[in-house]
Amino acid sequence: DIQMTQSPSSLSASVGDRVTITCRASQGISNYLAWYQQKPGKVPKLLIYAASTLQSGVPSRFSGSGSGTDFTLTISSLQPEDVATYYCQKYNSAPPIFTFGPGTKVDIK
Amino acid sequence: QVQLVQSGAEVKKPGASVKVSCKASGYTFTSYGISWVRQAPGQGLEWMGWISAYNGNTNYAQKLQGRVTMTTDTSTSTAYMELRSLRSDDTAVYYCARDSPEGITIFGVVIAPFDYWGQGTLVTVSS
Repeated sequence: DIQMTQSPSSLSASVGDRVTITCRASQGISNYLAWYQQKPGKVPKLLIYAASTLQSGVPSRFSGSGSGTDFTLTISSLQPEDVATYYCQKYNSAPPIFTFGPGTKVDIK
Repeated sequence: QVQLVQSGAEVKKPGASVKVSCKASGYTFTSYGISWVRQAPGQGLEWMGWISAYNGNTNYAQKLQGRVTMTTDTSTSTAYMELRSLRSDDTAVYYCARDSPEGITIFGVVIAPFDYWGQGTLVTVSS
């Protein structure tokens, strides 16, 4: 099975900072990679799919890139409401196997 | 609007079974697959399995094979997840989640990330 890793596991940044989270797949998954945001005590929310396509309603400060095995989620200017854990997820196989990465917790410094 | 409404919290003893429901509304139920995802306290998201609401085909996470069964009732637009032989480490919030329309088709199966989630059901396993 394809494994997903993320780095860092947590980070603390100031409001307005540029934040980058990395996700790596153990085998190539083309661009079949999604990012989710889970705020404390809340349900996960789809941010990005197909590695770089923003889900409707998601602020444009969020962006994604990558293909194959290496992917990044970038928050161009961190806001207080972005405090959350971010998960990547691969969705490239049939029958469906939707493996999540371990998550990256983002806090405000 | 699309909604997934799950059944309420459960407390079970080790060895028992639990069945969680997920009632869908606001879309054509049979047009999208449903996955179940769980999250143990303070831990990350764990995908448990997927069911096609169109034909009932399923695929389960390897670690849960033999203990989990996912079904749907198209007459009520409801998905179900049953987990048997419960252990303390099954204590978690269980979510249902719908495939988004932005998927890919592989061997005739639409594979997509999850755009709508249920509110979660806390299952506590304790003696």
